[in-house]
Amino acid sequence: QVTLKESGPALVKPTQTLTLTCTVSGFSLTTIAMRVSWIRQPPGRALEWLARIDWNGQEFYNPSLKSRLTISRDTSTNQVVLTMTNMDPVDTATYYCARAPDPYGDFCDYWGQGMLVTVSS
Amino acid sequence: DIVMTQFPDSLAVSLGERATINCKSSQSVFYNSNNKNFLAWFQQKPGQPPKLLIYWASTRESGVPDRFSGSGSGTDFTLSISSLQAEDVAVYYCQQYRSVPLTFGGGTKVEIK
Repeated sequence: QVTLKESGPALVKPTQTLTLTCTVSGFSLTTIAMRVSWIRQPPGRALEWLARIDWNGQEFYNPSLKSRLTISRDTSTNQVVLTMTNMDPVDTATYYCARAPDPYGDFCDYWGQGMLVTVSS
Repeated sequence: DIVMTQFPDSLAVSLGERATINCKSSQSVFYNSNNKNFLAWFQQKPGQPPKLLIYWASTRESGVPDRFSGSGSGTDFTLSISSLQAEDVAVYYCQQYRSVPLTFGGGTKVEIK
């Protein structure tokens, strides 16, 4: 059974660094073609793709946020970690992790339930 | 970045009637080397994560009812719900995965008339 679960702080202060963890089960992060992305959704708004890490450890970032984001993984604990620096109230959103297993296309078939992160002093 | 534009923003359809959602990309999402359109459709209900409905523009994900269908190529795509059911009330998003950054449309809210 494939599952992804986001964890981290529900509240961060402006200028702080956010660290979110995605713990996966039912598949391996190192299976060829496996990709895990972070995607966020501000309340009542559309989805925004943030970053991705591939089975071979290659990282991809949304250029609009690249300077603030770092994605990494720990294959021994089946976790993918996203850090976002210099948080601002506009970063208040539900943060999702999702996997894409197809070798030819990055469409996400399983998503976590999401983690609402509020940025406020 | 490839900009995805959905229309309408919302629509109200009677139960059993057809719902049609449009999505336009600012650049073609068709890839010649595998003859596929890198376009997916998602359904999102309140308080839930997005659910994959369609990928490769027209391939239905396993378990998705056949009243959902996707069509289109290049820059113009459509998601159709042939006979709207009450459980189809949701926001629907298109997404391109032709290039990074992956981008989503603004969403179309489907309601019952």
